[in-house]
Amino acid sequence: DSGVTQTPKHLITATGQRVTLRCSPRSGDLSVYWYQQSLDQGLQFLIQYYNGEERAKGNILERFSAQQFPDLHSELNLSSLELGDSALYFCASSVGYGRTGEDRVSYEQYFGPGTRLTVT
Amino acid sequence: DQQVKQNSPSLSVQEGRISILNCDYTNSMFDYFLWYKKYPAEGPTFLISISSIKDKNEDGRFTVFLNKSAKHLSLHIVPSQPGDSAVYFCAASRGNFNKFYFGSGTKLNVKP
Repeated sequence: DSGVTQTPKHLITATGQRVTLRCSPRSGDLSVYWYQQSLDQGLQFLIQYYNGEERAKGNILERFSAQQFPDLHSELNLSSLELGDSALYFCASSVGYGRTGEDRVSYEQYFGPGTRLTVT
Repeated sequence: DQQVKQNSPSLSVQEGRISILNCDYTNSMFDYFLWYKKYPAEGPTFLISISSIKDKNEDGRFTVFLNKSAKHLSLHIVPSQPGDSAVYFCAASRGNFNKFYFGSGTKLNVKP
C-alpha cells in the first residue's frame, strides 16, 4: 500500500459527459501528479501540483483540468468525454516538487492504484 | 512523440536465470532514469534509479546500466524469481523537474 488513495476505482460513463477523479496523497506529501495510461501505452504525464499551485504541465487536453485543494487532495476533471479518453488514470505524490541531488525523498513518486475510466 | 521507448512488450525467463529489460531514449537532456515495477490492479512502485553521472547502479538482485552515448539503459535481474513477474516501466527526467517520461512497459514472466 503506497498510501495514495484514488476514487473511484472504476467509472463507466457516456461520451459527452463530465467526470471527476479524486486523489489523496500520502501523508506529508505536497506534490500530486496525474498520469494517463491508455491501452498498450506508457504512462503519459498530465499535470503536477505542489502545495496547491500548478508546477508542471504535460500533454493535458484543454477538456481536462485539475486542482489541488488546501487539504492537499487533488481532483482531475474530464469533460466532453470521448471514446479515446478511456484509460487508466494514476495519481502519484511526492514530498517535494523537484529533484535535489540524489535524495530519493525529494523525487520518489508514490502511485495510487488508479481509476479505470471507460467511456461508451 | 515517444521520448522513452521499450521495444519489447514482453519477456519470458526461467527462474534463476538473468532477466534483461531494455529501454531507449531520444532526449539527450535526460539526466535521471528510473525503473518502476507494476503488478496488476496496483500502481507502479519505484524499483531503482540512476543518475547520468554514473553508468551502473546496483541494489540487491537489481542492476541498472546506463549507456549515454547509445541513449540506452537496461535493468538486469539476477537471479530472476517468479515474484518478479510484473510489468516494468523505465522513466526519464531532466533537470530538477519531477516530470517523468515513461516507456510503454515490458511484461516480464518468470517461469518456475
